[in-house]
Amino acid sequence: GQQVMQIPQYQHVQEGEDFTTYCNSSTTLSNIQWYKQRPGGHPVFLIQLVKSGEVKKQKRLTFQFGEAKKNSSLHITATQTTDVGTYFCAGSGEYGNKLVFGAGTILRVKS
Amino acid sequence: DTAVSQTPKYLVTQMGNDKSIKCEQNLGHDTMYWYKQDSKKFLKIMFSYNNKELIINETVPNRFSPKSPDKAHLNLHINSLELGDSAVYFCASSATGLLTEAFFGQGTRLTVV
Repeated sequence: GQQVMQIPQYQHVQEGEDFTTYCNSSTTLSNIQWYKQRPGGHPVFLIQLVKSGEVKKQKRLTFQFGEAKKNSSLHITATQTTDVGTYFCAGSGEYGNKLVFGAGTILRVKS
Repeated sequence: DTAVSQTPKYLVTQMGNDKSIKCEQNLGHDTMYWYKQDSKKFLKIMFSYNNKELIINETVPNRFSPKSPDKAHLNLHINSLELGDSAVYFCASSATGLLTEAFFGQGTRLTVV
């Protein structure tokens, strides 16, 4: 079945450093979504990418969808303590109707 | 004025008991889900309903039974609770299925002792 792998599992950075999390699917995706979950909170939608090679930016966050629509990345420039949390990618298969979540990347930011 | 609300937020119960978690959304969405998040933070879909009809039923023990009395509500009933059922359960909803963003409830932390 469809699998979505996400790396790294954990990332500790110094405030001001950049951070990237990567998402890879075993099958072609129709779309990829990214969510952020603060400690003790619930996942909150950040963005959705649909087109091959798409790049979207939200302030210090840059999201990319691969040309083959099998991988994606989230890059945060100059991390801040407010960026801490778990970042999840979630993909929906080309012919399926199921949103499969990656395992998430836990980001810790040291000030 | 919470968009997706779950009750209770915390649930501590003994093995073998039966419990229910309720979920309601006021967003007018027609699709609702239940996700289980284990201690390692992995989010796994359990069920999905569209307009009160079950469309996704993952490999979940049949002790778990979802019920959707109307498209704004999706409740989860769990029979004969086991230690391994301890997790955070999230309800979510979306507008037209899985190609739109999912809105999550605040979660129910279930602890089975």
